[in-house]
Amino acid sequence: NAGVTQTPKFRVLKTGQSMTLLCAQDMNHEYMYWYRQDPGMGLRLIHYSVGEGTTAKGEVPDGYNVSRLKKQNFLLGLESAAPSQTSVYFCASSRGWNTEAFFGQGTRLTVV
Amino acid sequence: DAKTTQPTSMDCAEGRAANLPCNHSTISGNEYVYWYRQIHSQGPQYIIHGLKNNETNEMASLIITEDRKSSTLILPHATLRDTAVYYCIVRTQGGSEKLVFGKGTKLTVNP
Repeated sequence: NAGVTQTPKFRVLKTGQSMTLLCAQDMNHEYMYWYRQDPGMGLRLIHYSVGEGTTAKGEVPDGYNVSRLKKQNFLLGLESAAPSQTSVYFCASSRGWNTEAFFGQGTRLTVV
Repeated sequence: DAKTTQPTSMDCAEGRAANLPCNHSTISGNEYVYWYRQIHSQGPQYIIHGLKNNETNEMASLIITEDRKSSTLILPHATLRDTAVYYCIVRTQGGSEKLVFGKGTKLTVNP
């Protein structure tokens, strides 16, 4: 039982490049979330999903897109990376709105 | 969701109880209080949650005041590994599918 797995763990992008971050959970959770965390700051919610085929915007959605085609996977896409998107990205999942959320170990993304 | 207010930082001696306060004066009757923590560079970890009764698990105790306007997370015997940022979050059904974190309290446990 791996929990929440994020791929990749580290990545360096050039400005303007695109990439997709993958979050996979094996707990059959309905809810999934993507966050970013900048140095010395708290987590900010980018997008979230309350079930397969659904997505919704969080606090800082601009510059990102997401998809939840399969229940166990939540993909975060950057179409044209910018240096301001340099951050640590965390994915989480939970069974419902009122249950504990489990987090992945993070993806460190640097955009140069 | 009701907003929460936490001190920016706190210190605690190893082996002593750590009491982390959270103010949520605008909380409504169907809102739950959640606590998570984040140890340096790791993903956040769930600790405990409650509605109005005090709660205890293997990690901590949660004390919610009778008027529910504030709560305290208690780590009964803090260790150096408890040094982390602790987040107090209020959530309610129907509009709280988001899980939004504030700035939290940086707890430093000193030897």
